[in-house]
Amino acid sequence: GAVVSQHPSWVICKSGTSVKIECRSLDFQATTMFWYRQFPKQSLMLMATSNEGSKATYEQGVEKDKFLINHASLTLSTLTVTSAHPEDSSFYICSAPRPIGGEETQYFGPGTRLLVL
Amino acid sequence: DAKTTQPPSMDCAEGRAANLPCNHSTISGNEYVYWYRQIHSQGPQYIIHGLKNNETNEMASLIITEDRKSSTLILPHATLRDTAVYYCIVSPPGSWGKLQFGAGTQVVVTP
Repeated sequence: GAVVSQHPSWVICKSGTSVKIECRSLDFQATTMFWYRQFPKQSLMLMATSNEGSKATYEQGVEKDKFLINHASLTLSTLTVTSAHPEDSSFYICSAPRPIGGEETQYFGPGTRLLVL
Repeated sequence: DAKTTQPPSMDCAEGRAANLPCNHSTISGNEYVYWYRQIHSQGPQYIIHGLKNNETNEMASLIITEDRKSSTLILPHATLRDTAVYYCIVSPPGSWGKLQFGAGTQVVVTP
């Protein structure tokens, strides 16, 4: 079964509004989670690392004031797309490392499709 | 730049084994080889990973060459539901292992 969930699965919003996407680890705690973005017919691009209790770290070229990340608990990270514009329309996916057999393996959420009109 | 090289696409007949190659000639000593797949409009699904030994689970087998510069993912009996983009990724383990996705291999399983 799923070990990482995302909500909502899809969202349509007007340009200029903010959209919050939640990522939850379902049966394990994750001090770190990762946010990715995927445009049509392209591969996943890492956006940022979400750190529980501290600031997120962003990949080069990703605007931290545009994509606000909050990792308020050990099972929840949120990504807020502020003042969304049509170019922000994309598939947003989170991942969390889950310990299995002494190792950690990244598990991904089902993704959130954002359409900005 | 992606650390792995994969063929852009391959076809496989249903019921046959699918062998997906991956080159990772610059892999570091502490980096694992991970395989994920992404079915259309879904999040990536973990398949298998390994360091240097061959690995097998209920989904697939992973064969890593002795010099660790390449690997092959084997789907023993491909089904139509195995149609997906398959990503080979090298990364250190754990939370610091940010996964860098390349273009992957589009696998199409045909009846």
